[in-house]
Amino acid sequence: ELKVEQNPLFLSMQEEKNYTIYCNYSTTSDRLYWYRQDPGKSLESLFVLLSNGAVKQEGRLMASLDTKARLSTLHITAAVHDLSATYFCAVDRSGGSNYKLTFGKGTLLTVNP
Amino acid sequence: DVKVTQSSRYLVKRTGEKVFLECVQDMDHENMFWYRQDPGLGLRLIYFSYDVKMKEKGDIPEGYSVSREKKERFSLILESASTNQTSMYLCASKGAGLSYEQYFGPGTRLTVT
Repeated sequence: ELKVEQNPLFLSMQEEKNYTIYCNYSTTSDRLYWYRQDPGKSLESLFVLLSNGAVKQEGRLMASLDTKARLSTLHITAAVHDLSATYFCAVDRSGGSNYKLTFGKGTLLTVNP
Repeated sequence: DVKVTQSSRYLVKRTGEKVFLECVQDMDHENMFWYRQDPGLGLRLIYFSYDVKMKEKGDIPEGYSVSREKKERFSLILESASTNQTSMYLCASKGAGLSYEQYFGPGTRLTVT
């Protein structure tokens, strides 16, 4: 059974600081997704990482994937209040039935002035 | 832009009622999914469909069934609603191929009393 663990689950940051959210998963996969969810809203796709060593950046967020370590990171640079949200990573199970995603429990990020 | 819509944002039903949640996507996607989201548990896959009339169980299918009679529409059915099915239900769709992320609808918050 694929397990996806995010940490931390709660993150309170000061504006302008940097931090990293980690996503570890338990079985082989080379497809990983990051989503953002604002309170009361649905999930918005942030990044799609499809191979080992993939790195993608959008604004103050950068995501990377190390399939050998079964680890993805979401790095936040110089945080601003608008980044406050819950961030989920999701792993696409390889082999057999593709397209099924297993989600982490989410990281609730609060950026304080 | 991909649009995934769900029939209701909020629903209140009584124990034992039959409940239909409907999801429609407008991008001709082959794959559609139903998840439930609960605090502390993240998103869990209930069912998914990879083609019209085709379905596959997800991780927590017990107490649910689905129907996909047309490509754009995917219905989740609670045959006899129970209080432990009170949750946020999210529908998603995905195009063919490996590079496409899942696009989520706005969610239906179901309360079973």
